[in-house]
Amino acid sequence: DVKVTQSSRYLVKRTGEKVFLECVQDMDHENMFWYRQDPGLGLRLIYFSYDVKMKEKGDIPEGYSVSREKKERFSLILESASTNQTSMYLCASRRQVFNQPQHFGDGTRLSIL
Amino acid sequence: AQKVTQAQTEISVVEKEDVTLDCVYETRDTTYYLFWYKQPPSGELVFLIRRNSFDEQNEISGRYSWNFQKSTSSFNFTITASQVVDSAVYFCALSEANRDDKIIFGKGTRLHILP
Repeated sequence: DVKVTQSSRYLVKRTGEKVFLECVQDMDHENMFWYRQDPGLGLRLIYFSYDVKMKEKGDIPEGYSVSREKKERFSLILESASTNQTSMYLCASRRQVFNQPQHFGDGTRLSIL
Repeated sequence: AQKVTQAQTEISVVEKEDVTLDCVYETRDTTYYLFWYKQPPSGELVFLIRRNSFDEQNEISGRYSWNFQKSTSSFNFTITASQVVDSAVYFCALSEANRDDKIIFGKGTRLHILP
């Protein structure tokens, strides 16, 4: 079974802090993704990565950056956290084979005070 | 442009009833894939099914079944004899063959199964 692990289930940070959300997958998947999920807005793609050291902006990249130094790990960084970044963050990975499904982690519920 | 619409925001049914979750999609591609995911209260999205645009056969997996109709651009999901454990948010999603790294999600349907 694919296992996607997000480092924290719940996280509370303060406005202006630099926040790191970590995601690790154990299936040697090439593609990894970060989404945020908000009530009424569904899932929105923040960034994704085709492979190591490669990244591409999703639909809402402003205020975020990412890092993928190793294939199994994809980090989402909030450079200077703001209250409007309070949300549920979901990481996913998939094999880069024709339309394979994405597999998701448990999510991190982040609160910015 | 591609789009996935789940018109039902929230549904409540009594346990053992059958329930159908609607999904309508838009795409210009002739080759595409459709997915359903389940998100229980624990938060993780669980992959349920993938169907490609050339396969219109209905699929059944236990109490779950899926009805794909290209003529109406719909990919509906039915739970037969619902159980409390089926309570979750269900997402329908679409990816196109020429951009299979991107998946477009509907906004989800929250399903409550009442005991």
